[in-house]
Amino acid sequence: DAKTTQPNSMESNEEEPVHLPCNHSTISGTDYIHWYRQLPSQGPEYVIHGLTSNVNNRMASLAIAEDRKSSTLILHRATLRDAAVYYCILRDVRGGNKLVFGAGTILRVKS
Amino acid sequence: GAVVSQHPSWVICKSGTSVKIECRSLDFQATTMFWYRQFPKQSLMLMATSNEGSKATYEQGVEKDKFLINHASLTLSTLTVTSAHPEDSSFYICSARRDRGREGYTFGSGTRLTVV
Repeated sequence: DAKTTQPNSMESNEEEPVHLPCNHSTISGTDYIHWYRQLPSQGPEYVIHGLTSNVNNRMASLAIAEDRKSSTLILHRATLRDAAVYYCILRDVRGGNKLVFGAGTILRVKS
Repeated sequence: GAVVSQHPSWVICKSGTSVKIECRSLDFQATTMFWYRQFPKQSLMLMATSNEGSKATYEQGVEKDKFLINHASLTLSTLTVTSAHPEDSSFYICSARRDRGREGYTFGSGTRLTVV
């Protein structure tokens, strides 16, 4: 499974944008980039995913580097409810479509 | 939206007994579901891929005879922890993805298992 590297933790102020980076230098052409977040004692929640082009949805934006070796999850205006562990995961459609989680980034949001 | 229901949300059992955890996709069909285990302050560890109508595929190091998975229908997968021991105490989470559609995966809310 291709690996991802994320910072252990990040801090943001409420109402400000947050950029969560993810490196995936060994990504293959068939790997989708997925982002999920998890609150304590809950199952992960889907945030966004993409393959090559940047993606936007109501929760966030996903910016994918041209060489696809890195990506950035953008939360446009952080709220206290966005405090969670954010996971960047590569899904290989040839590898059973399973999601293998890394350590993730703990995002703290200050009021 | 896609909803996955996991039951029970928590369970306490005695050592040596078996516990069954259910994972249901409520409003969509899922040929494939996944089971994870998560220990405190750690990430999710994929245990197995559950396939409707066929045997589950277990990740390396996961005992298939201890963690029995049954995926009898397109909306239900079960995980049975057999002969549970205290070291099996953990947070178990399932996930599923629509057979049709471009959404991501939906996760259950998890089951907290405590073996005493």
